[in-house]
Amino acid sequence: EAGVTQFPSHSVIEKGQTVTLRCDPISGHDNLYWYRRVMGKEIKFLLHFVKESKQDESGMPNNRFLAERTGGTYSTLKVQPAELEDSGVYFCASSQGWGGSHEQYFGPGTRLTVT
Amino acid sequence: ELKVEQNPLFLSMQEGKNYTIYCNYSTTSDRLYWYRQDPGKSLESLFVLLSNGAVKQEGRLMASLDTKARLSTLHITAAVHDLSATYFCIKDSGAGSYQLTFGKGTKLSVIP
Repeated sequence: EAGVTQFPSHSVIEKGQTVTLRCDPISGHDNLYWYRRVMGKEIKFLLHFVKESKQDESGMPNNRFLAERTGGTYSTLKVQPAELEDSGVYFCASSQGWGGSHEQYFGPGTRLTVT
Repeated sequence: ELKVEQNPLFLSMQEGKNYTIYCNYSTTSDRLYWYRQDPGKSLESLFVLLSNGAVKQEGRLMASLDTKARLSTLHITAAVHDLSATYFCIKDSGAGSYQLTFGKGTKLSVIP
């Protein structure tokens, strides 16, 4: 079974440009999450999708960040325009939608560098 | 705001030794997770602790949960080099929220 995949693995952009990160969850997982770790800080929650709906977006830092999950499959996270403080590693995770521990399975992350 | 504090943050230990990583958290909810991350890799789930008194063991690692003390421990027995990684203690908020709050991670180096 394929795990959570993320693309690209690394992105370097200039301040003011736009970047779109993609996450493909494990097939059949209704829950999809985005997290990020900026330099020297803990990994922080950004938002949670249940299928195509945003269940919790309380961690989104500002309106330069836009997440979508059309059709309830893969998700994109767009940063527009990017700022220097957006540099960090962006993780995606997915989990099943029923019962159990809601254990989350993480992707390898996308390292974003804004120069 | 939920807080998760791990200590130590850095741990260098010799092969064959035992040690414990501690995780304190500020919520009364159950469900605590331990994950491992190797450099450049995904976070990998090690243990899911669902209720007070839960103890789980896998190989040389054993995790426990005391919800009354709001404390979880990850005990390493007879460490080997392959255990070198960063270990994260992670809580969710409970009450139907699956938003995870991470500790800063403990970077473990096992020296031959």
